[in-house]
Amino acid sequence: DSGVTQTPKHLITATGQRVTLRCSPRSGDLSVYWYQQSLDQGLQFLIQYYNGEERAKGNILERFSAQQFPDLHSELNLSSLELGDSALYFCASSASEQYTDTQYFGPGTRLTVL
Amino acid sequence: AQSVTQPDIHITVSEGASLELRCNYSYGATPYLFWYVQSPGQGLQLLLKYFSGDTLVQGIKGFEAEFKRSQSSFNLRKPSVHWSDAAEYFCAVGSPRGYGGSQGNLIFGKGTKLSVKP
Repeated sequence: DSGVTQTPKHLITATGQRVTLRCSPRSGDLSVYWYQQSLDQGLQFLIQYYNGEERAKGNILERFSAQQFPDLHSELNLSSLELGDSALYFCASSASEQYTDTQYFGPGTRLTVL
Repeated sequence: AQSVTQPDIHITVSEGASLELRCNYSYGATPYLFWYVQSPGQGLQLLLKYFSGDTLVQGIKGFEAEFKRSQSSFNLRKPSVHWSDAAEYFCAVGSPRGYGGSQGNLIFGKGTKLSVKP
């Protein structure tokens, strides 16, 4: 158990809908990272927040957005969903803002878009 | 741009046999290199990382990796595989600049799935 929690574990929705994925980092960690894992693209970095502020950005779609709240939990919002958004979404956390710091991954949220 | 190649999609080894998983990277300077493991239904766990210094890095669970600059490789090894090592293994390189010039992030290879025969 990494100490990172993600909810929900599974999410099934329809095209065009909007969903919110939630992540609680390990106690004391200030950075939260979001990744997308799909069969064709592999594991791709989406975005990083550190203590409430955006720190790094991957090739995240404009339909996707994230935020980190004062209690350090983070939410990833996916809107106007398409079939291709079906994937496993991971959250990771680390103590510092350095991406080279050890990242602890949650168990993921599996999103299925029908 | 930085990239990581894991040439083997799937490897099967017998329990007790030695293991080597290959990783090649593309990066101009001295890279930051990582190996992560993903067990079925779980998130990724860091096995080891290399930043500088000794090119042979020891990690958790009896794994080690060797950085070879001349071959642009960072292969993962284990002398004797256990059935519990069956998982997917990901090599990653640190990219110092993210999209649009933002701070850096990790770039992952496509992974190598390891099966262990009894």
